[in-house]
Amino acid sequence: QVQLQESGPGLVKPSQTLSLTCTVSGGSISSGSYYWSWIRQPAGKGLEWIGRIYTSGSTNYNPSLKSRVTISVDTSKNQFSLKLSSVTAADTAVYYCAREDIAVWAFDIWGQGTMVTVSS
Amino acid sequence: DIQMTQSPSSLSASVGDRVTITCQASQDISNYLNWYQQKPGKAPKLLIYDASNLETGVPSRFSGSGSGTDFTFTISSLQPEDIATYYCQQYDNLPRTFGQGTKVEIK
Repeated sequence: QVQLQESGPGLVKPSQTLSLTCTVSGGSISSGSYYWSWIRQPAGKGLEWIGRIYTSGSTNYNPSLKSRVTISVDTSKNQFSLKLSSVTAADTAVYYCAREDIAVWAFDIWGQGTMVTVSS
Repeated sequence: DIQMTQSPSSLSASVGDRVTITCQASQDISNYLNWYQQKPGKAPKLLIYDASNLETGVPSRFSGSGSGTDFTFTISSLQPEDIATYYCQQYDNLPRTFGQGTKVEIK
């Protein structure tokens, strides 16, 4: 059974770069059947799709964040990562990694989420 | 971006009640719509894909319908374990976008 697990610092200073990693277990990130996404949720608010990566390394980003986001993949470690630069308090949120199944174009597996707070 | 608007934002119903949530897209998205359930402190869980297809293992009291711009999500008989926030999500285009959520509570 495929599982996703986010990891990374829970506290980031304003203007710095937020870095998170999602480790995929129970399956290969190199499968051509999935995209791998990052989604975030500020406390008490809705879900915002940040961007995604395919096993080939091809990426798509939300235009609202595109200038600050980089998503990369490390197939040797079965991981994909998020970098969000120049963070502010508005970037404080729970960050989820999720798998988008190409067969149904739905986020069928999610990590448990990791809380990231931007504060000095 | 395609805007997704859910209504109501919250609702309170009794156990056994039929619960209906609507989701409206800002443009025609065919049937390219999914529904998720999110319980407090947990990640969202896929319930319905392609507007009306039940994900494996999801109880049959959950259902979805609609196409174009107007969609409906229904719980035929509300159970205590259904207390959660429900989100619609379109996949017609990038960026993927979600509705603002509907919080379901027990009366």
